[in-house]
Amino acid sequence: KAGVTQTPRYLIKTRGQQVTLSCSPISGHRSVSWYQQTPGQGLQFLFEYFSETQRNKGNFPGRFSGRQFSNSRSEMNVSTLELGDSALYLCASSFQEGPGELFFGEGSRLTVL
Amino acid sequence: AQSVAQPEDQVNVAEGNPLTVKCTYSVSGNPYLFWYVQYPNRGLQFLLKYITGDNLVKGSYGFEAEFNKSQTSFHLKKPSALVSDSALYFCAVRDGNTGKLIFGQGTTLQVKP
Repeated sequence: KAGVTQTPRYLIKTRGQQVTLSCSPISGHRSVSWYQQTPGQGLQFLFEYFSETQRNKGNFPGRFSGRQFSNSRSEMNVSTLELGDSALYLCASSFQEGPGELFFGEGSRLTVL
Repeated sequence: AQSVAQPEDQVNVAEGNPLTVKCTYSVSGNPYLFWYVQYPNRGLQFLLKYITGDNLVKGSYGFEAEFNKSQTSFHLKKPSALVSDSALYFCAVRDGNTGKLIFGQGTTLQVKP
């Protein structure tokens, strides 16, 4: 069974641009969540989606948005990029909502210049 | 507010010795507790979880964790460390009321031969 796939793995953007990151969950998984990982702030929760509905949202500005499609694939978008948005963005999937374990992708490393 | 604390940035242990990585938590409602491991430039891998039941939870790669409700702790343990256990370890708690998954800051485990 294929794992969680995130694309692109690496990208470089400049301040003010926008970026879209993609996540394909494990087949059959309906819940997708996103996390931002930085050396200073650690792992911070961005959003969680289940069946195309946002279930939870972290404390990030409105520049960060996401969505989930009917096939459970998810995208997140960051507009008007800032230097501080440089991070590893991790996507995780699980079969259902609730306290089950998450399966993480290898992440998309975003560098903002 | 819910939180997770990993009081040690780094733990050093000799190969063959027992290891402990500490974690304490604070949540409203019932805590669902997890340990994940991250190898360099990789996503997180699930090790084990506590939802309910026995306070001693066994997980992957010989790891186990002990849930202590009175001390609000969930320490990760392994009887005999391997050099290959060297990695970044994250404790996480899923708030039973909000569903959000909150990660600790991470502890780097260094196992020396």
